Amino acid sequence: EADIYQTPRYLVIGTGKKITLECSQTMGHDKMYWYQQDPGMELHLIHYSYGVNSTEKGDLSSESTVSRIRTEHFPLTLESARPSHTSQYLCASSELAGNTGELFFGEGSRLTVL
Amino acid sequence: TQLLEQSPQFLSIQEGENLTVYCNSSSVFSSLQWYRQEPGEGPVLLVTVVTGGEVKKLKRLTFQFGDARKDSSLHITAAQPGDTGLYLCAGVAWDSNYQLIWGAGTKLIIKP
Repeated sequence: EADIYQTPRYLVIGTGKKITLECSQTMGHDKMYWYQQDPGMELHLIHYSYGVNSTEKGDLSSESTVSRIRTEHFPLTLESARPSHTSQYLCASSELAGNTGELFFGEGSRLTVL
Repeated sequence: TQLLEQSPQFLSIQEGENLTVYCNSSSVFSSLQWYRQEPGEGPVLLVTVVTGGEVKKLKRLTFQFGDARKDSSLHITAAQPGDTGLYLCAGVAWDSNYQLIWGAGTKLIIKP
């Protein structure tokens, strides 16, 4: 069973608010990811990290930012939320070594911006 | 752009029937994974296939990787309501630095 946790699970906020989605894993994985998931669409990678102090943007342009100060923690921040940010956000982690890229996912954070 | 196309997008069948879900691409993958995602949960890995022509079985689920490593299929025998979920395929391309390329998923509903 994966040990990766996301909070909050659900969030409804107004336009312009700053939000942080939390993600923590206890597996000691070096790589962590943030994906955006919308119905009928493939998962889009918005940020990833190879380890502490490493952050990279994914293939989907995003106005969010991430930080990786500790191995186990990879929060995602939206400085000013807009209705277009409404989506499901999935955090995942994997081991750095190996070529199969197996991911362990959290349960997701469903964000609704009014 | 590398794409993984999954078909069908949606499938609703009766308990006990068989079904096959497809994942196709024009790109070659070093490995391909299948995940299942239930409502309100994150995707969970079912299987990884790494060798062209490989067949793996997981109880009533049979996964096959194409000989050319461009496609994969998932066959479910005697589907059960517990098989209901979103099935996602994801491939690791040779030159993608191990980043996964995702399909859009097949939403499967098994009616009792």
